[in-house]
Amino acid sequence: EAQVTQNPRYLITVTGKKLTVTCSQNMNHEYMSWYRQDPGLGLRQIYYSMNVEVTDKGDVPEGYKVSRKEKRNFPLILESPSPNQTSLYFCASRDSLSSYNSPLHFGNGTRLTVT
Amino acid sequence: GENVEQHPSTLSVQEGDSAVIKCTYSDSASNYFPWYKQELGKGPQLIIDIRSNVGEKKDQRIAVTLNKTAKHFSLHITETQPEDSAVYFCAAPLDQKVTFGTGTKLQVIP
Repeated sequence: EAQVTQNPRYLITVTGKKLTVTCSQNMNHEYMSWYRQDPGLGLRQIYYSMNVEVTDKGDVPEGYKVSRKEKRNFPLILESPSPNQTSLYFCASRDSLSSYNSPLHFGNGTRLTVT
Repeated sequence: GENVEQHPSTLSVQEGDSAVIKCTYSDSASNYFPWYKQELGKGPQLIIDIRSNVGEKKDQRIAVTLNKTAKHFSLHITETQPEDSAVYFCAAPLDQKVTFGTGTKLQVIP
C-alpha cells in the first residue's frame, strides 16, 4: 500500500530535549515536506526537499532541522524544543516529475507537546 | 509569496443541503488548486483539484470552480452526507512552496 509513515504519533517532551520525528514514504517520490498545523493558522510549511541532499526552508523553519540522506526518509529534528513548537506535525510527499502540479500524500500526523 | 484566504472557518448544513467553501489567492502565477479533506486523527487527503486551463471540474457530488481573473476558487459539495463532516483545506502551490488556507470545519447535521 502506498503510504507516508510518521513516527511517533504522539510525543510529550520537555524544553531543550532534542527529538526526531521520522518520516518514510514508499512511493519513490522525490519531493518531501514537513508542515505544522495550529488552530486558526491552517498548515504551514516548515521545510521541503526536492531530492536526496537537497533541502530548503519553508515559511516557518526557525527551530527545526531536516536531513535527506535517502530518498524514502525525511526526518524532522528539533535540537532544542520550546513550548511554542507544541503542534500537530505532518509529513507529505509528491511525485515531482510533474513539477508542483501534483497532489501531496500526507502521513497521519505527530502530535507533539513540549512542556 | 503566495497568500491564501479561506472562508468560512466553520460551516453547518443539514444533511442533503449543499456546502460551498471559497478561497482567494494573491499570486497570479499560481496554476494548480487542490482541495484536501482532513478527518479526525488523520492527515489531509486530496479530494479534488483543478488546473488553471479549466474553469470547473466535477467528481460525483464534489465540484471545484476557478475564476482566474478574480483569483478565487471554490469547493462545492452537493447532497451532503454525515461522512462529509471534516475539515477542508484549499491550497495554492507555487514553485516548491505550498500555501494552505486556514481550513473550514464542515458539520453535516443528520
